[in-house]
Amino acid sequence: GAVVSQHPSRVICKSGTSVKIECRSLDFQATTMFWYRQFPKQSLMLMATSNEGSKATYEQGVEKDKFLINHASLTLSTLTVTSAHPEDSSFYICSAFVLGGGSNQPQHFGDGTRLSIL
Amino acid sequence: GQQLNQSPQSMFIQEGEDVSMNCTSSSIFNTWLWYKQEPGEGPVLLIALYKAGELTSNGRLTAQFGITRKDSFLNISASIPSDVGIYFCAGHGGSGANSKLTFGKGITLSVRP
Repeated sequence: GAVVSQHPSRVICKSGTSVKIECRSLDFQATTMFWYRQFPKQSLMLMATSNEGSKATYEQGVEKDKFLINHASLTLSTLTVTSAHPEDSSFYICSAFVLGGGSNQPQHFGDGTRLSIL
Repeated sequence: GQQLNQSPQSMFIQEGEDVSMNCTSSSIFNTWLWYKQEPGEGPVLLIALYKAGELTSNGRLTAQFGITRKDSFLNISASIPSDVGIYFCAGHGGSGANSKLTFGKGITLSVRP
């Protein structure tokens, strides 16, 4: 149980393109999902917390106009990287924890999206 | 901000050996988690710890939540080649809308057959 699916798994596109990444909880509902970015050989860095039906909470230093987050339902959050540039190339990973499972329930992660901007 | 310390960055062991990884923090966490990540994939939860002093096993893996709530360790016994990967500790703090995970930098484990 507690499966999180991300799509697409890999994106290669030109500089200036906007890219949308989807994160779905397949067998549970999630009021809160999290978006992380991971550069090669580094740890996961939290970008933002996505809350269903309300605005996302961004971590310090993350541009909210650059990384648009929409959490329209209890099973889907999307991250749109607007006008992507080569420095936005990274591994983007989402996670969620089970609704009603308590605030300390472990987060379950998607398989990530490898974004490469040429 | 909160930081978790994991070291060394890499560990090399022989198949069949046991290995222990430590994670320390300058802050208290309510929950400690251990994840394993393989190349090109998201982290997979190995063990979750919810109480100070708690010792939990999952197959060949054993993890403990330190009494001070500022540290945790993960033991892997009788290692096998598929144990290769990056092992991250994570501390969970806050609650509700402020709930978030802080990750260590990870330890890359190599297992020689």
